[in-house]
Amino acid sequence: DQQVKQNSPSLSVQEGRISILNCDYTNSMFDYFLWYKKYPAEGPTFLISISSIKDKNEDGRFTVFLNKSAKHLSLHIVPSQPGDSAVYFCAASAITGFQKLVFGTGTRLLVSP
Amino acid sequence: DTAVSQTPKYLVTQMGNDKSIKCEQNLGHDTMYWYKQDSKKFLKIMFSYNNKELIINETVPNRFSPKSPDKAHLNLHINSLELGDSAVYFCASSQVLASGETQYFGPGTRLLVL
Repeated sequence: DQQVKQNSPSLSVQEGRISILNCDYTNSMFDYFLWYKKYPAEGPTFLISISSIKDKNEDGRFTVFLNKSAKHLSLHIVPSQPGDSAVYFCAASAITGFQKLVFGTGTRLLVSP
Repeated sequence: DTAVSQTPKYLVTQMGNDKSIKCEQNLGHDTMYWYKQDSKKFLKIMFSYNNKELIINETVPNRFSPKSPDKAHLNLHINSLELGDSAVYFCASSQVLASGETQYFGPGTRLLVL
């Protein structure tokens, strides 16, 4: 049972444009959502997060939007840079879940010059 | 300085062998985790320890035994390795055990069982 889904395995964007990565979840107990970025042969690196009491969180070029009614979140990267090319994982945790992160399968982003 | 380190980075071994993967964090965190990323790229939690106490133990075969000698270390011992154990194993840590705490990941250990 996949509680966190990233339905797009890959996304290609041109440098300078907006990248939008999507994530859907099924468990209404999730109260915290995170995006991690992963380069090949490295571990995931925390990028940005959002609590369920908010619907938007911004950090520089990265913005995460949360739509609780649709159980959907998205990560916007503006402007996209070639160095953003990586696999992006969406993750969620529930306050009752002992900080157990449930990950999506990732979306590979390729930003071309 | 590496925050979360794992050894070895690569491990190739035969079926039936016993092997260990070590993890150390120098962040002063209380909580450590083991995750497994399988061939389908699912990244799934296996165990978590808080102050050396086992908190999360997902449905993992008992051939896998984590050991935490102190707060900075969480090792993973695997007995009687099977082909299906081939995966990338990531260690992670967080300051405390609470929802929303950022987890910091190690570089992963790529295990191949032949």
